[in-house]
Parts: sequence; structure tokens; C-alpha cells
Amino acid sequence: DVQMTQSPSSLSASVGDRVTITCQASRDITNYLNWYQQKPGKAPKLLIYDASDLETGVPSRFSGSGYGTDFTFTISSLQPEDIATYYCQQYDNQPPTFGQGTRLEIK
Amino acid sequence: QVHLVESGGGVVQPGGSLRLSCAASGFTFSSYAMHWVRQAPGKGLEWVAFVRYDGSDKYYADSVKGRFTISRDNTKNTLYLQMNSLRPEDTAVYYCAKEYYDYIWGRMDVWGKGTTVTVSS
Repeated sequence: DVQMTQSPSSLSASVGDRVTITCQASRDITNYLNWYQQKPGKAPKLLIYDASDLETGVPSRFSGSGYGTDFTFTISSLQPEDIATYYCQQYDNQPPTFGQGTRLEIK
Repeated sequence: QVHLVESGGGVVQPGGSLRLSCAASGFTFSSYAMHWVRQAPGKGLEWVAFVRYDGSDKYYADSVKGRFTISRDNTKNTLYLQMNSLRPEDTAVYYCAKEYYDYIWGRMDVWGKGTTVTVSS
């Protein structure tokens, strides 16, 4: 299985800050990577697919980049409603695997 | 509006069985592959199973292979997960998720709210 390692595991930032989360795959997954947001007590929501494409309806402050084994997820200006846990997920190999998650809090 | 609603969760003893259902609406269910994903209490997301749009091919996580069966009834717009030989480590919220594609996995673009399964004596 492809192991996905996210960092950091948790993060505290202020409203308006630029926030970056990284995700590293244990082997090359080209751009077969998605990012999901999960707010407390809610289902996950797709934000970014194919490493850098923004899902319809998702605010443009969210973005993704990367290729191969190293990927980055960025919130350009943190908003209070962005409090959530964020997961990367690869789909290059079976089974699809998720990172362990990054919990984002407001400072 | 695209909608997925899971049901069938509950409390079951170790070794028991449970069947989860996921009712789909607002899209052509028979045109898309589907997934089950679970989340143990306080833990991250774990993919469980996948079925192609027509039910012709199915894939499972090693942790559930041989115990769980994914299926679908396209005439009823419903996805199922038959869970047998349940273990305490199967305790989780189970989500069904719509796949963007029909016969391969790519991205889970719509999720249900989940149903809770607790395996305990």
C-alpha cells in the first residue's frame, strides 16, 4: 500500500494567515492526489482533486500543488469557517489511502 | 440536489452481522462507481470498499476482505455493505461516497452523513 504522511498533525493559526500543509507519498503517485476537509461531526468534503484542481464551489483561497511524492495544500487567507481536519488521499494504487489528517485550529 | 443517506448502523456483538444501506438521489446512480469509507472514533479516514457502476467489479481493504461484501441495486438507487464476523475494531462511522468516475476510482465527490456501527459485547 502507498503510505501518505501529512505534516504537521496539528496547526494553530490566526485569521488571515497563510496556512500550508504537506503530504508525502511513499512512492510516485504522479498527480493522483485529492484533498478533503472534514469539519467536526460532519462528513468529509472534496476540496482539491488531481493535486491542483479546485472542486466546483470551493473558495479560491484553497489551492494545491505538487507531483510525484511531495504535495502541498494551502489556504491563502485563513477564515474562521476553515476550522477542520484536512486529509490528503492518493488514488494511484489500490487501495486508495488517506493521510493521517491535519487538525487546523484558530489561534 | 445530490444526496446520499446511510442507514442500518447500530450496536452488534462481536461475530455478528449488519447490513448498511445508502440511498442515493439527485443523480443517475447507475452511472457512477461508489465507495464505503469508515472512521473509527477519534481516528482518520479508512477506505473500505469500492464497486463499479454496474456492480461488475469490487475491491476491498485487506482489513475487511472475506468478511464484508459491497453490492448495489441500480433499480433501487441503493448501495449496500454486508458486514459479517464483526470485530470490535470495526467500530466506526461508515460513510458512503459517490465516485466521480464510472468504472475506476478517482475522487469521492459526494458523501453521506454516515451511520454509526458499534461492535461490543
